[in-house]
Amino acid sequence: GAGVSQSPSNKVTEKGKDVELRCDPISGHTALYWYRQSLGQGLEFLIYFQGNSAPDKSGLPSDRFSAERTGGSVSTLTIQRTQQEDSAVYLCASSLAVSRGYNEQFFGPGTRLTVL
Amino acid sequence: GQQLNQSPQSMFIQEGEDVSMNCTSSSIFNTWLWYKQDPGEGPVLLIALYKAGELTSNGRLTAQFGITRKDSFLNISASIPSDVGIYFCAGSTGNQFYFGTGTSLTVIP
Repeated sequence: GAGVSQSPSNKVTEKGKDVELRCDPISGHTALYWYRQSLGQGLEFLIYFQGNSAPDKSGLPSDRFSAERTGGSVSTLTIQRTQQEDSAVYLCASSLAVSRGYNEQFFGPGTRLTVL
Repeated sequence: GQQLNQSPQSMFIQEGEDVSMNCTSSSIFNTWLWYKQDPGEGPVLLIALYKAGELTSNGRLTAQFGITRKDSFLNISASIPSDVGIYFCAGSTGNQFYFGTGTSLTVIP
């Protein structure tokens, strides 16, 4: 079946512009995560959605970052007034409803964001 | 956020050699996961571990969930050139996932 998909695969923008990144999770997966990966670094947690519960936004680095998930499926990560330090690969992952001790994340290919 | 201690940071090995990398944490996890990431791609799940002490294999890969639930290791036997990439460990308590800083593996033919 189809995996996690993300679009666009690459995005180049000018400093100060807003960008929207899209994630389509695996069908039936109720949990969705956004991560940021800077060059040569590990994954930095941004935000987590689980079903209809309020999202865990504890990883968002500033109020310029926001995300929503419509209909429990597709998610959009929005970065307003982009800065050069926002340049990174933004990864989306999804998993089945959380069950204690049995939980696997599956990642999309990522969106590479470059802020000039 | 929390990050796991993953070592080594990088490895350069000859084709055919075995490889070992590990992750440690100050926290207890219910699940340990190992991922491989190729350049320009998202991480791909290799092995998932659910029980303390569990030893699981996937082809030439073997991983173990430490008995203390605070560590895990990944072994790759008889390395081949396509094993090149960055390997990440991840620990989960259910809702949250915490990732290691990655091990960059280079296999010299």
